[in-house]
Amino acid sequence: KAGVTQTPRYLIKTRGQQVTLSCSPISGHRSVSWYQQTPGQGLQFLFEYFSETQRNKGNFPGRFSGRQFSNSRSEMNVSTLELGDSALYLCASLPGLLTGELFFGEGSRLTVL
Amino acid sequence: DAKTTQPTSMDCAEGRAANLPCNHSTISGNEYVYWYRQIHSQGPQYIIHGLKNNETNEMASLIITEDRKSSTLILPHATLRDTAVYYCIVRVVNAGGTSYGKLTFGQGTILTVHP
Repeated sequence: KAGVTQTPRYLIKTRGQQVTLSCSPISGHRSVSWYQQTPGQGLQFLFEYFSETQRNKGNFPGRFSGRQFSNSRSEMNVSTLELGDSALYLCASLPGLLTGELFFGEGSRLTVL
Repeated sequence: DAKTTQPTSMDCAEGRAANLPCNHSTISGNEYVYWYRQIHSQGPQYIIHGLKNNETNEMASLIITEDRKSSTLILPHATLRDTAVYYCIVRVVNAGGTSYGKLTFGQGTILTVHP
């Protein structure tokens, strides 16, 4: 069974640009969560989607947005990039609403110059 | 979600048991204890979780105190590949058994397993 797939794995952008990251959850999983990891702040929750609806949102500015498609794939977008947005962005999938472990992808490492 | 406190770092000799403590003194009745680990530059990996009873799986054992205010993750025979950051997390479970995909990570414990 394939794991959580995130693309691209690495990317470099400049300040002011925007970026879109993609996440394909494990087949059959319907919930996708996004996290940002930086050396200073650690792992922080961005948002969660289930059945194309945002269920939960972390404390991030509106420049960070996401969406989920009918096939459960998810994308997140960061507009007007700042240097501080350099981070590892992790996606995790969950089978549904029931308790269970989150399965994380390898992440997309974004560098903003 | 309840806050957790973990030691910043720990060392363990290869082949010995690694016992990682976690304090969660404000845990609520509907919160589970979860453990994840993150090996450098990889996504976090689920290890184990529990509510109030001790749990064991192929990776580790989880011991939760009777008052549920603390827990210990035990890696019975640590190997060099167990070197990672270990996160103890408490997670709300709703009345119907449902939960969100939001985990609140602390700084974790850096476990170093040496030969």
